[in-house]
Amino acid sequence: GAGVSQSPSNKVTEKGKDVELRCDPISGHTALYWYRQSLGQGLEFLIYFQGNSAPDKSGLPSDRFSAERTGGSVSTLTIQRTQQEDSAVYLCASSLPVGSYEQYFGPGTRLTVT
Amino acid sequence: AQSVSQHNHHVILSEAASLELGCNYSYGGTVNLFWYVQYPGQHLQLLLKYFSGDPLVKGIKGFEAEFIKSKFSFNLRKPSVQWSDTAEYFCAVNAGNNAGNMLTFGGGTRLMVKP
Repeated sequence: GAGVSQSPSNKVTEKGKDVELRCDPISGHTALYWYRQSLGQGLEFLIYFQGNSAPDKSGLPSDRFSAERTGGSVSTLTIQRTQQEDSAVYLCASSLPVGSYEQYFGPGTRLTVT
Repeated sequence: AQSVSQHNHHVILSEAASLELGCNYSYGGTVNLFWYVQYPGQHLQLLLKYFSGDPLVKGIKGFEAEFIKSKFSFNLRKPSVQWSDTAEYFCAVNAGNNAGNMLTFGGGTRLMVKP
C-alpha cells in the first residue's frame, strides 16, 4: 500500500517568509508525528497528533512553529517568519493507534532558508 | 526526559566484517526500542524493534539487536556486512506508557562498507 507522503520534497525560501509543509499519513493510521532532522541537532521530535486528542506540542522549538491536522488525516506544519536555523529536513511519520509503536516515515521535506 | 546515545558516529568496515553499533538510553521505566536505517537518498526504515519478551530480536537483512536492561543498552549487530549496508543507523526509544509515542533518537552512526 501507499506509504507516508510529504510535499514539497524541497523548499527554498527567504528569511522572514512563511512556509507550509504537508504530510499525508498512511490510510488508517490515527497517530501522526513531525520530526526535524538537522546537522547540528540530529533527529528531534516536534509534535504528535493522536486521533481527536489535543496534540502534544512539547517539541516545537518556538511559537513560530505550528501544525494542524484536518479530518484526522492530512497534516500541515507551518513555520512563520522563517530563520536560517530552521533549515533542516522535516520528517512526518504515522502509526496505528496507541499500543502499536512502530512509526512509518515519509521521505521528508528539505527546507532551505536563505 | 529520556535520551539516547550512540557512541560511534562513523564506522568504516570491509565487506564480510562483523558489525556492532552501540546504543545506550537513559530512562528508568519500561521502554520500547528501535533501530532505524536510512540508506543514501532514501527515507528512514525500521530495521527491528523490541517491545517485550526475548531480549534478542532479529530484524531484516540479517540484523539483530540485544536488549540488556541492566546496561540500558540495545546494541545492533550483524555478523557479516555487505556493501549495500552502507547507510546511517539510528537507535530510538520511546517510553512504554500511553503518554505519547514520540521517539527519542540517538545521533546516528554513519556506516561505510568498503567493497
